[in-house]
This record gives sequence, structure tokens and C-alpha cells, in this order.
Amino acid sequence: EVQLQQSGAELVRPGTSVKLSCKVSGDTITAYYMHFVKQRPGQGLEWIGRIDPEDDSTKYAEKFKNKATLTADTSSNTAYLKLSSLTSEDTATYFCTTSLGAHFDYWGQGVMVTVSS
Amino acid sequence: AIQVTQSPTSLSASLGDRVTLTCRASQDINNKMAWYQQKPGEVPQLLIYYASTLQSGTPSRFSGSGSGTDFSFTISHLQSEDFATYYCLQGYSLYTFGAGTKLELK
Repeated sequence: EVQLQQSGAELVRPGTSVKLSCKVSGDTITAYYMHFVKQRPGQGLEWIGRIDPEDDSTKYAEKFKNKATLTADTSSNTAYLKLSSLTSEDTATYFCTTSLGAHFDYWGQGVMVTVSS
Repeated sequence: AIQVTQSPTSLSASLGDRVTLTCRASQDINNKMAWYQQKPGEVPQLLIYYASTLQSGTPSRFSGSGSGTDFSFTISHLQSEDFATYYCLQGYSLYTFGAGTKLELK
């Protein structure tokens, strides 16, 4: 069974950056596109972007192009999301998820990022 | 970017009711629409993909239909565990979620 294990909750200062990890077990990460999804407290889901670990190609939603950077390490079966220049608007739960087709299949448990001074 | 308009935003219903949610895409997305259920503090669960295909384990009271720009999602006989927030997701060109429908007990 494929499982996605995300790193722990983060409390970070405004203006700094944070890097979140998502480790895939039960299959090789190169079998999937890896995505990250944002959910602010009490709000809906937003797609941030995806990476193809096979060739490191990426695509982002327009609003996250200067905010998020996706990378992947095939040796550790892990995908990463780096968020930069953090503000209170980045306080949210971030999920990683996989896709083979036009929908998301497996999900990580989510990680809460709190931006506060 | 493709926009997705989901309605209604919220819905009150009773046990045993039949409810229908809709999503409209801003352009033709063929059948690249999926539906998710999310309960507070939990991870979204895939219920339906490619507009009408039930994910393994999804109860048969859930159904989806549509193609092109207009899609619907129906729960035929509401059970207590169905009260949650539902999201549609287009995956035709990049990905866009609908704003969600919160289904509440009347």
C-alpha cells in the first residue's frame, strides 16, 4: 500500500522560508506526479503545483509561482515543498498527494505551517 | 487558467434525502472532473473520478455525471457519515478545486 509521510508542524517567522518533506513508501516516487495542496484554516483546497520526479519538471498554479518551489529526491523517495518570503497568508495546512491521471489518489496526513513572530 | 464554480456553498439536508451538487468549468474539460469528501481535521477522500467512476470503496449511493463544462454529484440517500464538505477538482489543464459545499444536517 502506498503511503505518504509528511514532516512535522512548523512555526516560522515572517520573511523566512520553510521546506516541507513528503516521503513515499510502498512504491517508487517516479511512478507518480507529486503535488502539494494548501488549505488555510476553515477554507478550501488550493492546488500549488506538481513535480515529475522522473525528470524534475514542474508546473505551478499562477499565484504560487513566486512562492513555492518543488523538488524531489529519488534516492530517498521524497518530494519537497519550499515556501519563501513567508507571511501570515501562508499559515495553512499543506498536503502532498500523488496523481497518475487527472485526479489525486494518495494523500499525506498534512502538515500545519504557522507563520508568526 | 480554468475556473471551477461549485454550488451551492452550503446545503442543509435530512437523513435519507437525495442531494445534488454541481460544478461548472470555465471551458471544456472533457470528463476530467473528480469529487472529494473532507471531514474536519481529515485528509480529503477521493469518491469519484473521470466524472462518473466510483473510487474503490465508495458506497453506491454516491454518483457523478457530466462532461464538457457541467458536472453534478449526487448522494441518493443521505447517511449520518455523509455530512462533510465536498470539493470538485478539474484535472484537464493543471488543476483547480471548486470552493466546496458544506453539507449540514437540517
